[in-house]
Amino acid sequence: EPEVTQTPSHQVTQMGQEVILRCVPISNHLYFYWYRQILGQKVEFLVSFYNNEISEKSEIFDDQFSVERPDGSNFTLKIRSTKLEDSAMYFCASTRGVNTEAFFGQGTRLTVV
Amino acid sequence: KQEVTQIPAALSVPEGENLVLNCSFTDSAIYNLQWFRQDPGKGLTSLLLIQSSQREQTSGRLNASLDKSSGRSTLYIAASQPGDSATYLCAVQGGSEKLVFGKGTKLTVNP
Repeated sequence: EPEVTQTPSHQVTQMGQEVILRCVPISNHLYFYWYRQILGQKVEFLVSFYNNEISEKSEIFDDQFSVERPDGSNFTLKIRSTKLEDSAMYFCASTRGVNTEAFFGQGTRLTVV
Repeated sequence: KQEVTQIPAALSVPEGENLVLNCSFTDSAIYNLQWFRQDPGKGLTSLLLIQSSQREQTSGRLNASLDKSSGRSTLYIAASQPGDSATYLCAVQGGSEKLVFGKGTKLTVNP
């Protein structure tokens, strides 16, 4: 069964360092998303991506964040200068269409020290 | 701004019991509602998607209903098993592409 895969599963980084989280969405999906979940809190939307551009972003997704689809399969989230408050589980998701079922990856646990 | 609330926050039941998890949302202008399961430290597994034009969806022992006008959804789990223990999340999609999540109901099914 097709699935969304994320790497790495856990990343520890020092404050101020850049991190890149990677995702391989389901192959025939057209919409890609990043969400995050701070420990004990709700899953929050960060950004959606369609047709090689950002289609929607939240207030959380400031200039420190960027997304890219560098090739036909990968979808990445970059945080330029990590802060302690960026520590969270980051989830990638994809959908075939705009109002269809969302499939999520297993997440990357980011710990900023 | 859409807000999603799930009640109860936690639920503990004996194995074999039927149970209902509740989800409410403040803005009834939604395209769909999706139920997910999340195991500790893991990703989200999609359980059921209900489009706004639908009243319910079933998958195995799970049945989800949607009353869009009142802003409510329920997830019914029949004959619960210890393997059903997880956190169940409700999420709605409104006039944009994003999903808005509730905080979840943590379910424990005791053998």
